[in-house]
Amino acid sequence: DSGVTQTPKHLITATGQRVTLRCSPRSGDLSVYWYQQSLDQGLQFLIQYYNGEERAKGNILERFSAQQFPDLHSELNLSSLELGDSALYFCASSEGSDPSYNEQFFGPGTRLTVL
Amino acid sequence: SQKIEQNSEALNIQEGKTATLTCNYTNYSPAYLQWYRQDPGRGPVFLLLIRENEKEKRKERLKVTFDTTLKQSLFHITASQPADSATYLCALGNTGGFKTIFGAGTRLFVKA
Repeated sequence: DSGVTQTPKHLITATGQRVTLRCSPRSGDLSVYWYQQSLDQGLQFLIQYYNGEERAKGNILERFSAQQFPDLHSELNLSSLELGDSALYFCASSEGSDPSYNEQFFGPGTRLTVL
Repeated sequence: SQKIEQNSEALNIQEGKTATLTCNYTNYSPAYLQWYRQDPGRGPVFLLLIRENEKEKRKERLKVTFDTTLKQSLFHITASQPADSATYLCALGNTGGFKTIFGAGTRLFVKA
């Protein structure tokens, strides 16, 4: 158990809908990262927040947005969902902001299925 | 564009042998390289990080090498055990950019 929690575990929805994925980092961690893992794309970095502020942006679509709240939990919002958005979404947390000096701890993931 | 290549075919080895996994990259000059282990349906688990100025790093039965001239990293598991069976991902990053790029992973099967 990494100490990172994600809810829900599974989510099934229809195309065009909007969903929110939630992540609680390990106690004391200030950074939260979001990743998408699909069979054809592998693990893709989406976005990182550090202490409430956006720190780095990866291959995140404009239909997706995220935020980190004052209690450090984070939410990833996915809108206008398409079939291709079906994937495992992982959240990771670390103590500091630089991934080269701070080990990332991954949560168990949320499996999103878009029908 | 930046590209990371890991053996797409699964690696099957006998218990007790050394498993060697390869990570090659192009169009990138990473400041560091990481290796992760991922079990089916679970999140990746960090194993080792090696920086561009380091040639080799060890942790228990694990060894990583990093050759920036060849643009390649090798990941070794010595005295492999069936419990080592998993997918192993390599990831590259640069300081300052903070964006980590992952390879597709290599599936390792260790037979008893």
